[in-house]
Amino acid sequence: AQSVAQPEDQVNVAEGNPLTVKCTYSVSGNPYLFWYVQYPNRGLQFLLKYITGDNLVKGSYGFEAEFNKSQTSFHLKKPSALVSDSALYFCAVRDSAGGYQKVTFGTGTKLQVIP
Amino acid sequence: GAGVSQSPSNKVTEKGKDVELRCDPISGHTALYWYRQSLGQGLEFLIYFQGNSAPDKSGLPSDRFSAERTGGSVSTLTIQRTQQEDSAVYLCASTKGGDTQYFGPGTRLTVL
Repeated sequence: AQSVAQPEDQVNVAEGNPLTVKCTYSVSGNPYLFWYVQYPNRGLQFLLKYITGDNLVKGSYGFEAEFNKSQTSFHLKKPSALVSDSALYFCAVRDSAGGYQKVTFGTGTKLQVIP
Repeated sequence: GAGVSQSPSNKVTEKGKDVELRCDPISGHTALYWYRQSLGQGLEFLIYFQGNSAPDKSGLPSDRFSAERTGGSVSTLTIQRTQQEDSAVYLCASTKGGDTQYFGPGTRLTVL
């Protein structure tokens, strides 16, 4: 079975400060990892993914995430937060083994960037 | 070049009525997913299709919920005898190779 944990329901950060949204995962094989963002009253949008290769993945809107196999983590980061980054962020995982393509989402973390 | 579309965008129904929610995935996407998102909550997996078959129906909350996919394309999620706790946003997503999911705008279901 695969699972994802986002330990923080909400993260508050001042505009201009670095932000981190945490995610840990569990899969039996190698993970495919994703971050999605949901802005208020809008649909979910893909931010970035880790499939293989470099552990540091860069995505849209200046976000990046680091895959850490030993800690089974995939934390989302941004060097300088913007008020417009305020949204609901979801981490997701899929086991790369086999043909089954179920993706498991975390419960989401609300990011609030304070002006 | 259309994305995933869902209809209706909003549905208000009375308790006990049946509803059908439709999802049109991106052309060529073989996998299709249904999720449910309650107000302020995370994504609850409902069912997953690979082609027309559903290898995983484990997320369907009860036997009132069913889904089908025909022609490897359009999918319909049916909720029979709706209850107030069924009120939520129902999201559909498609993917080509089990990779990035592309989400539709969702159907907001309100059961009175």
